[in-house]
Amino acid sequence: EVQLLESGGGLVQPGGSLRLSCAASGFTFSSYAMTWVRQAPGRGLEWVSAISGDGGRTYYADSVKGRFTISRDNSKDTLSLQMNSLRAEDTALYYCAKNMGRQFLNGMGVWGQGTTVTVSS
Amino acid sequence: QSALTQPPSASGSPGQSVTISCTGTSSDVGGYNYVSWYQQHPGKAPKLLIYEVIKRPSGVPDRFSGSKSGNTASLTVSGLQAEDEADYYCGSCAGSNNVVFGGGTKLTVL
Repeated sequence: EVQLLESGGGLVQPGGSLRLSCAASGFTFSSYAMTWVRQAPGRGLEWVSAISGDGGRTYYADSVKGRFTISRDNSKDTLSLQMNSLRAEDTALYYCAKNMGRQFLNGMGVWGQGTTVTVSS
Repeated sequence: QSALTQPPSASGSPGQSVTISCTGTSSDVGGYNYVSWYQQHPGKAPKLLIYEVIKRPSGVPDRFSGSKSGNTASLTVSGLQAEDEADYYCGSCAGSNNVVFGGGTKLTVL
């Protein structure tokens, strides 16, 4: 069974940093692009970042470019999101998702349950 | 990266069909065959219903179908059931390096 388990969320002050992780199991991790999507309380989905299967290509929403860094460790089947210079508007539930194939553009087929990030003083 | 436009709400009676639209531009929906649809029940993670405009992942009932015309994509739910009541989101690639979602549509089964 394909599973994604996010961790690392929490309460952080504005300007602070947080590192999210997503442990994957049940599939050949390196064969799939992976994506982070967030959802602010009571709001819709927002695409955050994606990474190719080999980790060589990364993509970011304009709202997080220069502040967030996506990475993966294919030897440990783990996806990460390093979040720096956090702002109140980054407060959201962060989902890790497995893409349908090597392309990150063609949809997210499996989602984790999410980890909550709250940015507040 | 403007969000795609979805109606905030839609409704139908059990057994009926409902279509939800997702309008973008030639830079996203109209320019690529990378439109996907997601269903989200309250407190749950989204679930993929449709990808690449018309494809259904295994396990998704064929009551759910997707289509596209110009800059507008559509999700049709046929034979509405009570468990179809949820929020629905469309997503599309917007160029070669990013993805944009719609604002979501709350589907009510009357």
